[in-house]
Amino acid sequence: EVQLVESGGGLVQPGGSLRLSCAASGFTFSSYEMNWVRQAPGKGLEWVSYISSSGSTIYYADSVKGRFTISRDNAKNSLYLQMNSLRAEDTAVYYCAREAAAAEGWDYWGQGTLVTVSS
Amino acid sequence: QSVLTQPPSASGTPGQRVTISCSGSSSNIGSNYVYWYQQLPGTAPKLLIYRNNQRPSGVPDRFSGSKSGTSASLAISGLRSEDEADYYCAAWDDSLSGNWVFGGGTKLTVL
Repeated sequence: EVQLVESGGGLVQPGGSLRLSCAASGFTFSSYEMNWVRQAPGKGLEWVSYISSSGSTIYYADSVKGRFTISRDNAKNSLYLQMNSLRAEDTAVYYCAREAAAAEGWDYWGQGTLVTVSS
Repeated sequence: QSVLTQPPSASGTPGQRVTISCSGSSSNIGSNYVYWYQQLPGTAPKLLIYRNNQRPSGVPDRFSGSKSGTSASLAISGLRSEDEADYYCAAWDDSLSGNWVFGGGTKLTVL
C-alpha cells in the first residue's frame, strides 16, 4: 500500500526555520517525482516545489524561492522541505504528493502537516 | 488571486448534472494538460481527472473532464451527497521558470 507520511510541522516564530519530512513506503520512491503543495487555513491549494526522481531538477513557486529548499534521500525513501525566513503567510498545511508517471497527475498525497508562523 | 479561474461555488440536487469551469491562458491550459482534484472536508486532495479527461482507476464514470482552448470543465452527473466537496483544477504554466498553477477551488454543495 502506498503511503506518504509528513512530519515536522509546528509553531515557529517569523524569521525562523523548520524542516518538513515526508516518509514514503509501498512503492519504489526513487522512480517518482515528488511535490510539496500547501493550503493556508480556509484557502485553496498552492503548489510549493517539485523535485525530479533523481533530484537533479527542482522548481519552486515564486512565493518561496530563495527561502525554501526541497531535497530527497532515495536511500531513506524520504522527501524534505527546508523552510527558512518563515513568514506569517507561510502558515498552512503542507502536503507531499507523488507525481504519477506519464503526466498522470499527483496520484497519492500525504495527510499533511500544519505549519504555523506566529509570534 | 489564482492563475486559473473557477467559480467559488456550485450546487445541485441529487441526480442532477453539474459543471465546474476552469479558465486559464495560452501558457497553462492552452498548452498543457488539465488536472482535477477533489478535496472532501478535512482530508487531503484526491486525483479525479488527469490529462484533461482521463479517470484514475476507482473514480466513477459520473466524473468527466473536458478541455477546449484555454478553458476546461469538470462535469459530475448523477450527483450524490458524497460529492459535496471542494474541487480544484491545475495545470503546468510555461510562462514562468517552471510552475504548477491551481484554480481557487469550487465548493460544491448538494442540496
